[in-house]
Amino acid sequence: DQQVKQNSPSLSVQEGRISILNCDYTNSMFDYFLWYKKYPAEGPTFLISISSIKDKNEDGRFTVFLNKSAKHLSLHIVPSQPGDSAVYFCAACGTQGGSEKLVFGKGTKLTVNP
Amino acid sequence: DSGVTQTPKHLITATGQRVTLRCSPRSGDLSVYWYQQSLDQGLQFLIHYYNGEERAKGNILERFSAQQFPDLHSELNLSSLELGDSALYFCASSVAPSGVNTGELFFGEGSRLTVL
Repeated sequence: DQQVKQNSPSLSVQEGRISILNCDYTNSMFDYFLWYKKYPAEGPTFLISISSIKDKNEDGRFTVFLNKSAKHLSLHIVPSQPGDSAVYFCAACGTQGGSEKLVFGKGTKLTVNP
Repeated sequence: DSGVTQTPKHLITATGQRVTLRCSPRSGDLSVYWYQQSLDQGLQFLIHYYNGEERAKGNILERFSAQQFPDLHSELNLSSLELGDSALYFCASSVAPSGVNTGELFFGEGSRLTVL
């Protein structure tokens, strides 16, 4: 059972345009959501997060939106730059049955073309 | 550089063998997490140690075991290896107090295991 889903394996955008990466989750126990970025041959790097009590968090060119009723979050990158080309993982964090869980999606490979 | 060190970076071995992956967390971090990333899969949580004690277990096979030592480095032992164990194994550490997983982890570069 995949609790965090990134339905688009890949996304290609033009430099300067907006990149929108989507993520859906199924479990209401998640109360904290994160995005990680991963370059080839490197480990994932934390990018931005959002608590379930908020619907938007912004950090420079990166904004994460959370729609709790739809169990959906998205990462917006504006403007997109070639250096943003990487795999982006969505992750959800919460406590269930006294046990903390951090669940990752399968990732979306973003390519920003010059 | 995340400050998390993993060795070896690459490892090729045969089915039935046993390997040990090593992780040194960032200075001051008490929590160590192990994740497995197989082809076309997301990061699958294996196990979490906090200050030497097992804190949470994920989908870790019985053939796999881990421990965290007094100096806080951790080792992941994989035995009776099968072809399907070929994957990237990531270690991550966290400064979060009391071992609480806030999700904000610092990942190493990973150990790529190939089982032939």
